[in-house]
Amino acid sequence: GEDVEQSLFLSVREGDSSVINCTYTDSSSTYLYWYKQEPGAGLQLLTYIFSNMDMKQDQRLTVLLNKKDKHLSLRIADTQTGDSAIYFCAEGGATNKLIFGTGTLLAVQP
Amino acid sequence: GAVVSQHPSWVICKSGTSVKIECRSLDFQATTMFWYRQFPKQSLMLMATSNEGSKATYEQGVEKDKFLINHASLTLSTLTVTSAHPEDSSFYICSAREPPGLADINEQFFGPGTRLTVL
Repeated sequence: GEDVEQSLFLSVREGDSSVINCTYTDSSSTYLYWYKQEPGAGLQLLTYIFSNMDMKQDQRLTVLLNKKDKHLSLRIADTQTGDSAIYFCAEGGATNKLIFGTGTLLAVQP
Repeated sequence: GAVVSQHPSWVICKSGTSVKIECRSLDFQATTMFWYRQFPKQSLMLMATSNEGSKATYEQGVEKDKFLINHASLTLSTLTVTSAHPEDSSFYICSAREPPGLADINEQFFGPGTRLTVL
């Protein structure tokens, strides 16, 4: 089956780093994605990583992929209150479909 | 970036009525559109994949006759919830995908969602 698991909640202080974790089961995924959802809104693609990469850095965002353990993480450096949202990892393969994780609510305390 | 709109943003209807939700790609042609359903504090569940000019492909457990999908043009897909009941109340989100290209990362562009409440 295709199950993508995330921890439900993460609370950090403003200025700290946040690390959101994700585990997936479909080893045939071509790309893995991180999406951000603000309250009552759709999803915004933050970043993605190709399955043959280990790491990708994009400004404050760092994505780490451990394909052996099927583990994906998103690190947000210098977390700001505007980063408060729900973060979804997603995996995609040849079928065009995205399988979303359970979502992690990130709360940033001022 | 590519923009996807949905209309309406929220709707309240009586049980037994039908509700149509529109999804439009504003600045690109979407050969494929997707419809998701999201319950409070839960993830997005794919309901169906819609390709322009052909019948939608529904995920297991999604009733075709209950959730009618039409993708009549490259910029518009509609989802009609027929004979809506309170258990159909949810947040419905569409996404759209451009035709595959050389640098294709299979990106989907998401609409802002439609909150449906059935009384």
